[in-house]
Parts: sequence; structure tokens; C-alpha cells
Amino acid sequence: DIQMTQSPSSLSASVGDRVTITCRASQTISNYLNWYQQKPGKAPNLLIYAASSLQSGVPSRFSGSGSGTDFTLTVSSLQPEDFATYYCQQSYTTPWTFGQGTAVEF
Amino acid sequence: EVQLVESGGGLVQPGGSLRLSCAASGFTFSSYWMHWVRQAPGKGLVWVSRINTDGSTTSYADSVKGRFTISRDNAKNTLYLQMNSLRAEDTAVYYCSRKTAGTSPYYFDSWGQGTLVTVSS
Repeated sequence: DIQMTQSPSSLSASVGDRVTITCRASQTISNYLNWYQQKPGKAPNLLIYAASSLQSGVPSRFSGSGSGTDFTLTVSSLQPEDFATYYCQQSYTTPWTFGQGTAVEF
Repeated sequence: EVQLVESGGGLVQPGGSLRLSCAASGFTFSSYWMHWVRQAPGKGLVWVSRINTDGSTTSYADSVKGRFTISRDNAKNTLYLQMNSLRAEDTAVYYCSRKTAGTSPYYFDSWGQGTLVTVSS
């Protein structure tokens, strides 16, 4: 199985901060990398697909980059509603695997 | 509007069985591969199983292989997960999710609200 490793596991930030989360795959996955946001008690919500494509309706302050094994999710200016947990996920091969999550906290 | 609504969760004893359902609406259910993903309390997301459009192809995580069975009824627009020989470590919120159609790369573009399964004596 492909292992997905996110860093950091958690981070403290303030409104207006630029936040970057990294995700590393244990083998190359091309651009088969997606990012989801999850708030407590809610289902995950797709932010970025194919490493860098912004899902419709997602604010432009979210962006993704990378290819191969190393990927990043960036929030250019953190807003109050962005405090949540973020997961990367590879869809290169079954089983589709997720990173362990990054909690963005105050 | 795409809607996925899970049901069937609850408290079950170790070794017991449960069947989860996911009712789909707002899209052509028979055209999409469907998946189950679970999340143990306070933990991350874990892929469980998937099924192709007509139900002829299925895949499972090693942790549930031989105990869980995914199926679908396209006439009823419903996805199922039959869970047998349940263990404490199967305790989780179970989400059904839709895999986007078309060309790769693929992703989950819709999720249900989840249903909680608790395995405990």
C-alpha cells in the first residue's frame, strides 16, 4: 500500500496567516493527489484534486502544488472558517490511502 | 443536488453483524463507482471498500476482507455495506462517497453525513 505522510500533524495559526501543509507519498503517484477539509462532526469536503485543481466553489486562497511524491497545500490568508483538519489522499492505486491529517488550530 | 444519506449504524456486540445503507439522489447513481470510508473516533480517514457501476467488481481493505461485503441496487439507488464478525476496532463513523466519473485522476466529490457503528459488549 502507498503510505501518505503529512506534516505537521498540527499547527497553530492566526487569522491572516499563510499556512502550508506538506504531504509525501511512499512512492510516486504522479498528480493523483487530493486534499480534503474536515470540520468536527462533519464529512470531509474536497478542496483540491489532481494536486493543483481547485474544486468548484472553494475559495481561491486555497492552492495545491506538487507531483511525484511531494505535495503541498497552501492557504494564502487564513480565515476563521478555515480552522479544521486537512487530509491528503492518493488515488493512484487501490487501496486509496489518506494522510494522517493536519489540524489547523488557533 | 447530489445527496448521499447513510443509515443502519448502531451499537452491536463483538462478533455481530450490521448492514449499512446509503441512499443516493440528485444524480444518475448507476453511472458512478461508490466507496465506503470510515473514521474511528478521534482518528483519521481510512478507505474501506469500493464497487463499480454494475456491482461486478469490488475491492476491500485488508482489515475488512472476508468480513465485509459491498453491494448496490441501482434500481433503488442504494449502496450497501454488510458487516459481519464485527470487532471493537471496527467502531467508527462510516461514510459513503462518490468517486468522480470521467477520466483520471479521480477523487471523492461527494460524501454522506456518516453513520456511527459502535462495537462493544
